[in-house]
Amino acid sequence: DQQVKQNSPSLSVREGRISILNCDYTNSMFDYFLWYKKYPAEGPTFLISISSIKDKNEDGRFTVFLNKSAKHLSLHIVPSQPGDSAVYFCAAQTQGGSEKLVFGKGTKLTVNP
Amino acid sequence: KAGVTQTPRYLIKTRGQQVTLSCSPISGHRSVSWYQQTPGQGLQFLFEYFSETQRNKGNFPGRFSGRQFSNSRSEMNVSTLELGDSALYLCASSLGGLAAYQETQYFGPGTRLLVL
Repeated sequence: DQQVKQNSPSLSVREGRISILNCDYTNSMFDYFLWYKKYPAEGPTFLISISSIKDKNEDGRFTVFLNKSAKHLSLHIVPSQPGDSAVYFCAAQTQGGSEKLVFGKGTKLTVNP
Repeated sequence: KAGVTQTPRYLIKTRGQQVTLSCSPISGHRSVSWYQQTPGQGLQFLFEYFSETQRNKGNFPGRFSGRQFSNSRSEMNVSTLELGDSALYLCASSLGGLAAYQETQYFGPGTRLLVL
């Protein structure tokens, strides 16, 4: 049973526009959420995180929104750049949980010039 | 500061063989976690080692094992390889302090294992 779901395997946007990547989770015990970006032939790179006590966290062009009641989070990239083209993974943690990080299956973002 | 390194980067084995993968964490990091990435299942947590002890474990069979050395380097072993073990194996390191569950993990480039 998948606890973290990224229902869109791929997303394509134009350069300069907003990219919105979505993530849903089922485990209400998750209290910390992260987004990682992965380029081919490289390991995932941490992008941004959010604690369950917040509903928004911003870092430059990247903003993560958390809706606890809907068990949904989203990553907004504004403006999108061609270098943002990568696979984005949503991940979740729970204090005291047995798994270090629970990942979604990823969304491949393509930003076209 | 050097990043997380993994060796080898690529490996081809046949069914029934065993394999050992190595991970060197960022200097000063005491926690090493291992993940398996496959196209169908995404990234799945295998286990975490901290100060030479397994601290967390995911839902993988006993054929998957690991260990950590006093210098925090870690090895992962898979015995009796199956075709389904073909995957990218990623290791990640973090400081591993008291607030470890919210620490950023830094990933290595991975070892791509192909089982024939």
